Amino acid sequence: QVQLVQSGAEVKNPGASVKVSCKASGYTFTGYYIHWVRQAPGQGLEWMAWINPNSGDTNYAQKFQGGVTVTRDTSIITAYMDLTRLRSDDTAVYYCARGSSLYDGMDVWGQGTTVTVSS
Amino acid sequence: DIQMTQSPSSLSASVGDRVTITCRASQSISRYLNWYQQKPGKAPKLLIYAASTLQSGVPSRFSGSGSGTDFTLTISSLQPEDFATYYCQQSHSTPPTFGGGTKVEIK
Repeated sequence: QVQLVQSGAEVKNPGASVKVSCKASGYTFTGYYIHWVRQAPGQGLEWMAWINPNSGDTNYAQKFQGGVTVTRDTSIITAYMDLTRLRSDDTAVYYCARGSSLYDGMDVWGQGTTVTVSS
Repeated sequence: DIQMTQSPSSLSASVGDRVTITCRASQSISRYLNWYQQKPGKAPKLLIYAASTLQSGVPSRFSGSGSGTDFTLTISSLQPEDFATYYCQQSHSTPPTFGGGTKVEIK
């Protein structure tokens, strides 16, 4: 079936980097955008970035420009989100989600990856 | 960026109640409005896209309406499995933005 499977939970020190993966299955990976959305503990949803797996084009929320990089490897149908210079307020659950176009809803979500930043 | 404002932020309701959640955009977004349901510890689930189109597999007690800046999610008869947090999201322009959420609790 159609699914996105994310990598496991991470615990990082402040200032470190983390790379979260999102492996697609059950659909044509290059036919859908991949969004990255995060959710801090007890808070709402915050969009971070999208990538077009076909072209490699990306777009970032202004807040995350320079600190987040999203990439993809079409050979293994996997998208990645790299978050650098981690701070305690980056502690959150990070989700990848699929969208058929930028005007559509996000119809398939990964299970989420918890990133904890703590010294 | 387009701001999305949901109301109420929380509500208490009983099984069988009709529940309405509103979402207002800071500028016109035509009908590029999506609704999600999220249960604790789970990823969000798309319920409605394009303001009123039910995602496949979503029960017909859920409905959406609106265009421009004002939108509504209605649950016609609340069921036990509907107690969750609901988010609206605009997909009219980048960056996509979410409302703050509405938590539906058991009365």
